[in-house]
Amino acid sequence: DAGVIQSPRHEVTEMGQEVTLRCKPISGHDYLFWYRQTMMRGLELLIYFNNNVPIDDSGMPEDRFSAKMPNASFSTLKIQPSEPRDSAVYFCASREQGANYGYTFGSGTRLTVV
Amino acid sequence: GDSVTQMEGPVTLSEEAFLTINCTYTATGYPSLFWYVQYPGEGLQLLLKATKADDKGSNKGFEATYRKETTSFHLEKGSVQVSDSAVYFCALSGTGNQFYFGTGTSLTVIP
Repeated sequence: DAGVIQSPRHEVTEMGQEVTLRCKPISGHDYLFWYRQTMMRGLELLIYFNNNVPIDDSGMPEDRFSAKMPNASFSTLKIQPSEPRDSAVYFCASREQGANYGYTFGSGTRLTVV
Repeated sequence: GDSVTQMEGPVTLSEEAFLTINCTYTATGYPSLFWYVQYPGEGLQLLLKATKADDKGSNKGFEATYRKETTSFHLEKGSVQVSDSAVYFCALSGTGNQFYFGTGTSLTVIP
């Protein structure tokens, strides 16, 4: 299995531009999570899906952020318009149903908004 | 609510020293407990886990024992190597469907 695949690995964009981050979870995993990691705040859960349905988006910082999961093998996190304070590493993770199963994380997308 | 508290870093050790990173948790019910490791520039990787009281998780020389009586899951390694330098996260999976991560402990091992 190729694991959780995220793209792009690095993204540099100008303030005000739209940014789309992509994630392909592990086949058969029922849950997908989007996290943001910064030095100041550590790991923050933004949103998670169960069977493609958004369950909890309370961590999404503001309306500029949106996430979709149109099918079991693909999810996107979009920021529109982007701001410098959105600069962070964004991780996608997936897991199977059941508390005993750990998350599998992707390698992350390092976003820099200038 | 569920939560995890782990020791503040950073931790700096000499090669072959003994490592302990403390982790305590608060949870309703019977959570599963995990340690993740994050190497520079990479995502978090599962290091080990324990799913019930008194279980010991182990991997790559690291160990942690699920202690219900002290609500702890401390990470230990008898002899660290330079390649163990990374950030270590304690986490729990409780009655809900999400994890609760600690704030991470940075470890640097010097030759």
